[in-house]
Formats: sequence, C-alpha cells, structure tokens
Amino acid sequence: SSELTQDPAVSVALGQIVKITCQGDSLRSYYVNWYQQKPGQAPVLLIYGNDRRPSGLPDRFSGSSSGNTASLTITGAQAADEADYYCHSRDRGGDHQVFGGGTKLTVL
Amino acid sequence: QVQLQESGPGLLKPSETLSLTCTVSGDSVTNSNFYWAWIRQPPGKGLEWIGSIFHRGSTYDNLSLKSRVTMSVDMSKNQFSLKLASVTAADTAVYFCARRQSSGPWITWFDPWGQGTQVTVSS
Repeated sequence: SSELTQDPAVSVALGQIVKITCQGDSLRSYYVNWYQQKPGQAPVLLIYGNDRRPSGLPDRFSGSSSGNTASLTITGAQAADEADYYCHSRDRGGDHQVFGGGTKLTVL
Repeated sequence: QVQLQESGPGLLKPSETLSLTCTVSGDSVTNSNFYWAWIRQPPGKGLEWIGSIFHRGSTYDNLSLKSRVTMSVDMSKNQFSLKLASVTAADTAVYFCARRQSSGPWITWFDPWGQGTQVTVSS
C-alpha cells in the first residue's frame, strides 16, 4: 500500500473547478509534486514543490499543501484534462520516493 | 531539450535478470545537480519508484524490491542502467527512466521522463 492516498476517481463538468487530493504523513515534512498521465504516455510534471508550475504549463493548474493533505486544482476543466493524476513525495524517512495510487479524472 | 530513452529486452522468463538502459541526451549524467531514476507501472496500476542513482555511485532503492535492484552509470556513453534480478510475473510493467531534480532537501521531483518500455515476464 502507498504512503500517499488518493481518491481512485473524480469527475468534473466541463468548464468547472475540480480538486484532486493526496494525503500522507510525509507531506507534513516534504513537498509534493503532481504528474498527469494520459493513456499510453509517460507522466508529465504538472506541479512541483507544492505549488510551483513548470514553465509553459497553463495556469489553470495549481497546487497547495497544508498539514498532511496536498491538493491539485484544475480551474475550468477541459476535455483534454481527462487523465490519471499522481502525487509524489518522499517517504517519512526521507530517503525514498513514493507515489500516490493515482486519481482518474473524468470530464463530463 | 533534455530527452531520455529506455532500451532493453521486452520479454523475459521467470528467474531471469531484467536489464534496461536509459540514454540521456541534452544533459550529462555527470551533472551534479541531478540523480537519475527508474520508475515502473504494472498494467492498469499506479507508478512505483524503483530507485535513484548519482553518477558518483550513491544509490537509493525501493526496499520492497528486496535487494534485487542494481543500478549503474556509464559516463562514457551518457547512460544509466537498471538490473532487476530473479524476475517474476509481478515484475511485468512499463519501465520509465527519469531525471530527479531537487531544490533543497525537502523538494525532489522527476522531470523529464522517458517514453517507457514494456517488459513482460512470462514462461
């Protein structure tokens, strides 16, 4: 079992706001990152260091973290945002990397 | 633009050793700012970190793999490699290589990733 917990599936209406969450004790000490993965493709970095966006990423994607819970928010969801989303951080010991189980986002 | 490309056999028999190589272009595996990592994804499942290596040899690997992991860096070829011993069907997955970046001890992330390579273990 993963040390980071995500809801397996979330849905959102086209154009609406959706929040995907990630919980884990290690998030109290370490920053979280978010990746988007579309079918048959490699994951792509969306957010790093809780709330930092790589250059070129649309500002519809934003991240935050407080206590043991981190969130990825998509503002104005688009059909192209349908994908699996994974959170990532260090484990409680700090030496190893862990991923959440992933959240499948459906845009209705 | 940094690019990573995995290569290696796609089909193995149980008990064999999986050997994969990741070729890096647009950066050097000797860049002291980065570790280099392996991550896998079983069919229909989530991502699992396998391990990370620094060009000077220090490594971290997933304890759940019970010491079956060996990683190395070939600076002359600008590549890094993964060996996973005694494979079983449970090791069937898409294997990704990635560059691990850090900003201080509390922030590490993977970017970019290779496209991934399918490895199947079957008798």
